[in-house]
Amino acid sequence: EPEVTQTPSHQVTQMGQEVILRCVPISNHLYFYWYRQILGQKVEFLVSFYNNEISEKSEIFDDQFSVERPDGSNFTLKIRSTKLEDSAMYFCASSTTSGRSNEQFFGPGTRLTVL
Amino acid sequence: AQSVAQPEDQVKVAEGNPLTVKCTYSVSGNPYLFWYVQYPNRGLQFLLKYITGDNLVKGSYGFEAEFNKSQTSFHLKKPSALVSDSALYFCAVRDVETGGYNKLIFGAGTRLAVHP
Repeated sequence: EPEVTQTPSHQVTQMGQEVILRCVPISNHLYFYWYRQILGQKVEFLVSFYNNEISEKSEIFDDQFSVERPDGSNFTLKIRSTKLEDSAMYFCASSTTSGRSNEQFFGPGTRLTVL
Repeated sequence: AQSVAQPEDQVKVAEGNPLTVKCTYSVSGNPYLFWYVQYPNRGLQFLLKYITGDNLVKGSYGFEAEFNKSQTSFHLKKPSALVSDSALYFCAVRDVETGGYNKLIFGAGTRLAVHP
């Protein structure tokens, strides 16, 4: 069964450093998403991406964040200058369409720890 | 604003007994509701969804969910729990207010513990 994969599973970084979280969505999916979950809190939407551009983003997704699909398979989330409060589990997801009824398929997550 | 509430942090049930994990929602218009499960070190796995039609929705691993419009609830159920069902369960609603329809709004999650 096709799965969304994410690397690394755990990333530790120093405050102020740049990090890139990587995701490989399911191959025939066209819509890609990033969510995050701060420990003990809800899963929160960050951004959605389609046709090489952002289609929607949340208030959390400020200028420190960017997303890219550098090739036909990878989808990345970059945080330019990490802050302590960026420590969270980051989930990538993908779906075939953006329709309301369409479920999103999630990866296992990357745990980001900012020291 | 749209929201989802999961009133129980944890649900404990004996193996073989029926289980219910509660979810209530608040949306404008028709709700598009989802249940996901998260096993340790795994991503969120889709279980089932309610879009329209029958109020009882059947999903993966023997789970089902009952949509109740008057009570604005979408409780997850299983007639006979297994120890392997122990996991973290998330209820989610599709955001239909922003126009993009991309975003899922999640509840806080309920940890289900099934003991032998």
